[in-house]
Amino acid sequence: DQQVKQNSPSLSVQEGRISILNCDYTNSMFDYFLWYKKYPAEGPTFLISISSIKDKNEDGRFTVFLNKSAKHLSLHIVPSQPGDSAVYFCAASAEYGNNRLAFGKGNQVVVIP
Amino acid sequence: NAGVTQTPKFQVLKTGQSMTLQCAQDMNHNSMYWYRQDPGMGLRLIYYSASEGTTDKGEVPNGYNVSRLNKREFSLRLESAAPSQTSVYFCASNRGAIGYTFGSGTRLTVV
Repeated sequence: DQQVKQNSPSLSVQEGRISILNCDYTNSMFDYFLWYKKYPAEGPTFLISISSIKDKNEDGRFTVFLNKSAKHLSLHIVPSQPGDSAVYFCAASAEYGNNRLAFGKGNQVVVIP
Repeated sequence: NAGVTQTPKFQVLKTGQSMTLQCAQDMNHNSMYWYRQDPGMGLRLIYYSASEGTTDKGEVPNGYNVSRLNKREFSLRLESAAPSQTSVYFCASNRGAIGYTFGSGTRLTVV
């Protein structure tokens, strides 16, 4: 039973526009959420995170929003750039500092120049 | 900084052959993990080691064994490879609240 769900497996967006990736989770104990980015032939790399005490975290062009009541988070990329073309994984853990992350299946983002 | 190093990067096995995937980290992380990535399936945890000397099954452990040789190294062994084990394998490590650091992966094909 998948605890972290990413629907809409792929997204195409024009360069300069906003990319929005969505993630839903089922485990109410999750309190730390992360996004990872993965290029072909490379391992996933950490992008941005948010703890459950916040509802927004921003890092440059990347912003993550958390809606705890809806068990939903989203990643906004503004403006999208061709180098953002990658697979994005949503991940969550229970208890800040817990070693194990639950991952979603990933979203493929293609930014069209 | 090397981070997490996986070897080999590519491997082709015949059904029934065995092999060991190697992983080493130089970040003094306590926990290490093995994942497989398959199309449409995301990252699925095979085995993990919360600390040196301990290992535990993840969600897809069948057909695999692991060894936490020391704090740095965590190996994954396929005793009798099957075509269903064709996948990309990622090793990762972390310490406490810090997010995972992944290796660059091993692409395994079993024919």
